[in-house]
Amino acid sequence: EPEVTQTPSHQVTQMGQEVILRCVPISNHLYFYWYRQILGQKVEFLVSFYNNEISEKSEIFDDQFSVERPDGSNFTLKIRSTKLEDSAMYFCASSDKATLSDEQFFGPGTRLTVL
Amino acid sequence: QQQVKQSPQSLIVQKGGISIINCAYENTAFDYFPWYQQFPGKGPALLIAIRPDVSEKKEGRFTISFNKSAKQFSLHIMDSQPGDSATYFCAAIQTQGGSEKLVFGKGTKLTVNP
Repeated sequence: EPEVTQTPSHQVTQMGQEVILRCVPISNHLYFYWYRQILGQKVEFLVSFYNNEISEKSEIFDDQFSVERPDGSNFTLKIRSTKLEDSAMYFCASSDKATLSDEQFFGPGTRLTVL
Repeated sequence: QQQVKQSPQSLIVQKGGISIINCAYENTAFDYFPWYQQFPGKGPALLIAIRPDVSEKKEGRFTISFNKSAKQFSLHIMDSQPGDSATYFCAAIQTQGGSEKLVFGKGTKLTVNP
């Protein structure tokens, strides 16, 4: 069964450093998403991406964040200068349909720890 | 107004019992309500979903009850099994009126004891 994969599973970084979180969506999916979950808090939408463009982004997704689909398989989230409050679990999701009411498939997440 | 409030935070149920998780929302523009199940080390996976034009949806042992007037919805797991032990998230989506928004609850950690 096809699944979304994410690497690394755990990333530890120093405050102010850049991190890149990687995702490989399901191969025939065209719609991609990033979410984050701060420990003990709810899952929060960050950004949606389609046709090499950001479709939607939340207030959390400020200038420190960027997304990219550098090749035909990877979907990345970059945080330019990490802050302590960026520590969270980051989930990538993909879908073959445009609407959020259609099923999104989530990856297992990357736990980012900013020291 | 964009929040979805979920309770309880954790729930322990004996095998064979009924697990009930509740969610409440304020934004009447929400028009789709999915539940996600997450096992440790995995991402959330869609479990069951409901639209507000029905009061109940059942899939196997999982039932969503929806009370539009009270702006509440709940997940019932009948005959709970140890394999149901997971974290459950309710969510709400506003699909109309421009950009879609997906809002999650904080999650409920369910433990089903054998």
